[in-house]
Amino acid sequence: AQSVTQLDSHVSVSEGTPVLLRCNYSSSYSPSLFWYVQHPNKGLQLLLKYTSAATLVKGINGFEAEFKKSETSFHLTKPSAHMSDAAEYFCVVRMDSSYKLIFGSGTRLLVRP
Amino acid sequence: NAGVTQTPKFRVLKTGQSMTLLCAQDMNHEYMYWYRQDPGMGLRLIHYSVGEGTTAKGEVPDGYNVSRLKKQNFLLGLESAAPSQTSVYFCASSFSKGEKLFFGSGTQLSVL
Repeated sequence: AQSVTQLDSHVSVSEGTPVLLRCNYSSSYSPSLFWYVQHPNKGLQLLLKYTSAATLVKGINGFEAEFKKSETSFHLTKPSAHMSDAAEYFCVVRMDSSYKLIFGSGTRLLVRP
Repeated sequence: NAGVTQTPKFRVLKTGQSMTLLCAQDMNHEYMYWYRQDPGMGLRLIHYSVGEGTTAKGEVPDGYNVSRLKKQNFLLGLESAAPSQTSVYFCASSFSKGEKLFFGSGTQLSVL
């Protein structure tokens, strides 16, 4: 069965320092993996997606994620946090050949001045 | 281009009341979805539609009904609201299966 685990419910960083949001998945198939961001009182917006092409995926706003099959991980990173990055981030796995997306429980990113 | 529009944005119901949430998209997307978001649980799929006139159950369909009479609209109904249905509801659409989802800004529903 497919599942996704976000290892941290909250992450706090200082502005200008690196961001790491961790995600592990479980999938019997070659997964499609996504990161979505949700700013306060807004809907979710796609940051990036992995679909078995390059293992390092670049997204919007300077974010990127690396697919590591051996570790079943898809961690989200950014070299330098900006105040506007404060939001909730969701790691999502799509069951192969399915409409169903499985959402992680979310990681809330706090950026300190 | 408005994208995905949900109405209303907020609603308070008493137990047993009914209501309909409306989702409209102007991107000519075939696929539409209703999710609920609860603290610490991510998003869970309630119902979805793969085209006009079709609907299907998601993970948590009990207590909800949906209709897709027009391609651009996807309605979510609660026939007899319960406190357990207090949540934030998101509508989303996509051009095809597995593609990027476009989300509305959500409906905050409280059932007292």
